[in-house]
Amino acid sequence: SQTIHQWPATLVQPVGSPLSLECTVEGTSNPNLYWYRQAAGRGLQLLFYSVGIGQISSEVPQNLSASRPQDRQFILSSKKLLLSDSGFYLCAWSTGSNEKLFFGSGTQLSVL
Amino acid sequence: DQQVKQNSPSLSVQEGRISILNCDYTNSMFDYFLWYKKYPAEGPTFLISISSIKDKNEDGRFTVFLNKSAKHLSLHIVPSQPGDSAVYFCAANPLNAGNMLTFGGGTRLMVKP
Repeated sequence: SQTIHQWPATLVQPVGSPLSLECTVEGTSNPNLYWYRQAAGRGLQLLFYSVGIGQISSEVPQNLSASRPQDRQFILSSKKLLLSDSGFYLCAWSTGSNEKLFFGSGTQLSVL
Repeated sequence: DQQVKQNSPSLSVQEGRISILNCDYTNSMFDYFLWYKKYPAEGPTFLISISSIKDKNEDGRFTVFLNKSAKHLSLHIVPSQPGDSAVYFCAANPLNAGNMLTFGGGTRLMVKP
């Protein structure tokens, strides 16, 4: 069966520090991978998606970047965190079109 | 511009009664709709979906209704249980756009014993 792992679960970082969140998927090949963010009291906003290794599309301009060094690995990064980067970050995967997304357990990021 | 809107941020229902969560969308290219359930500090889990060729889909206590002309969908939970207390997100996907789900802002459902 397919599983998705996302870590860490919580993270507290000072403003200006770097960020690296990692997500891996097991049990499937060539998945579509996604990074979403839920800001406090807000809905889920798509940040990045990837349909293959090295292929990254950004949905919103921001202080963040994403990379996909391996088929089932998706990394969210920042060189210098801002206060506005605080939120609940979710990794997700899917296969094909019109298929549901499967989400990881999320990372609660607090930038202080 | 919010293409998917959940106008009720919260809803409180008595156990055993019906919960009705509503969702409106503006993009006529959306043709696949999903509901997700989210507990605090956890990722959303898929609940139920509906294709635009249908107007109703039922799965146990959960039923989703789609009114394409009104660009409106709703999730009915009958009977509501305390374990249903969570945030519910509706999401929509345009035809042939991959899984580029657009999510609503969520509705927090509280089911009181």
